[in-house]
Amino acid sequence: DTEVTQTPKHLVMGMTNKKSLKCEQHMGHRAMYWYKQKAKKPPELMFVYSYEKLSINESVPSRFSPECPNSSLLNLHLHALQPEDSALYLCASSRGDGRSIRSPLHFGNGTRLTVT
Amino acid sequence: GDSVTQMEGPVTLSEEAFLTINCTYTATGYPSLFWYVQYPGEGLQLLLKATKADDKGSNKGFEATYRKETTSFHLEKGSVQVSDSAVYFCALRGVRGGGADGLTFGKGTHLIIQP
Repeated sequence: DTEVTQTPKHLVMGMTNKKSLKCEQHMGHRAMYWYKQKAKKPPELMFVYSYEKLSINESVPSRFSPECPNSSLLNLHLHALQPEDSALYLCASSRGDGRSIRSPLHFGNGTRLTVT
Repeated sequence: GDSVTQMEGPVTLSEEAFLTINCTYTATGYPSLFWYVQYPGEGLQLLLKATKADDKGSNKGFEATYRKETTSFHLEKGSVQVSDSAVYFCALRGVRGGGADGLTFGKGTHLIIQP
């Protein structure tokens, strides 16, 4: 069982919809991440939060809006997505503020997003 | 910048065969190295890690040794099972971004084990 929980597991949305992906961890980790993974590709970093503050935005389009309401929760708000945004969205967390390179990232099972 | 190179496959083996998946890296300083496994329809699971030169990570019969002199972290298993069929990612956390930028991944190796 994964210690990072993501909901929903699957999501189908139209290009005019607004939806949110949710991620929760109770390991006391203070760094949380959003990754996007296309089929047969490695995950690509989107956002990093450290102590609930956004520390990295990898030039992600504004139709993706992250939010970290507290140290255990991470949301990704979606609006006006394009079909090419269809992918597996993975949440991850790591110990401390994310600057300890010895700490691995712990991933959730992801949300499979389809944009129609 | 940092990079990881691994054989992409697919790699097809018979059950009980010996497995090697090669991984080499380029990074400044002394990164930490990881192997992750992704089963169909799931997220990434940490398989093993090594944080300094000559460290050997091991888990579930898999092993990898951090070789600074050859900048490598090859994954090995003595006898694979059908249940090992998955995609394996080699990854590093480097010092360049202060560790704040997460993981640099290889492209992934799709492993298929036939009964």
